[in-house]
Amino acid sequence: AQSVTQPDIHITVSEGASLELRCNYSYGATPYLFWYVQSPGQGLQLLLKYFSGDTLVQGIKGFEAEFKRSQSSFNLRKPSVHWSDAAEYFCAVGVHYGGATNKLIFGTGTLLAVQP
Amino acid sequence: SAVISQKPSRDICQRGTSLTIQCQVDSQVTMMFWYRQQPGQSLTLIATANQGSEATYESGFVIDKFPISRPNLTFSTLTVSNMSPEDSSIYLCSGGQGAGETQYFGPGTRLLVL
Repeated sequence: AQSVTQPDIHITVSEGASLELRCNYSYGATPYLFWYVQSPGQGLQLLLKYFSGDTLVQGIKGFEAEFKRSQSSFNLRKPSVHWSDAAEYFCAVGVHYGGATNKLIFGTGTLLAVQP
Repeated sequence: SAVISQKPSRDICQRGTSLTIQCQVDSQVTMMFWYRQQPGQSLTLIATANQGSEATYESGFVIDKFPISRPNLTFSTLTVSNMSPEDSSIYLCSGGQGAGETQYFGPGTRLLVL
């Protein structure tokens, strides 16, 4: 069965420090992978996505993620965290669902706190 | 990218009543989806809203409890019927568009059932 695991429920980093959020997936075919961010009281915003090609993808707000097929991972990174990055981050895998449609399976999320 | 709006943004409802949530997309999308996010939890897919036909429900969700309509390519509604406090959640609508059907999400409807 398809699944997404985010091992870290809660992470605290200092402002200016680097960040890596972990994501592992289980899916039999080539995955479509996504990272979304949810700020308090807000909906979900797409940070970046991977479909094919270059395994290092760039997103908005200075985020990047690397797809590693051998490790079934799609970890999110940022070299220098800003206080405004405090939010909850969700990794998702797109499960092929007839035609061109993908329905999303979400991980449990990682809550990021940023210390001044 | 698609811009998605939802109404209402939040509501407080009494047990046993029903609430209809509207989702409007600013451009045509192939697929629309409804998700539930229970307090402190991740998103769970309720159903896929199909234009002109019955929605496709995920395991654990039924049409009698969550009737869904999608009369055209840019609009859908979700009704939460005969509500109980356990239905208190955020309900999010999404639309799939472009390569790989990237999903874009609305801001969510925050529902509290008393």
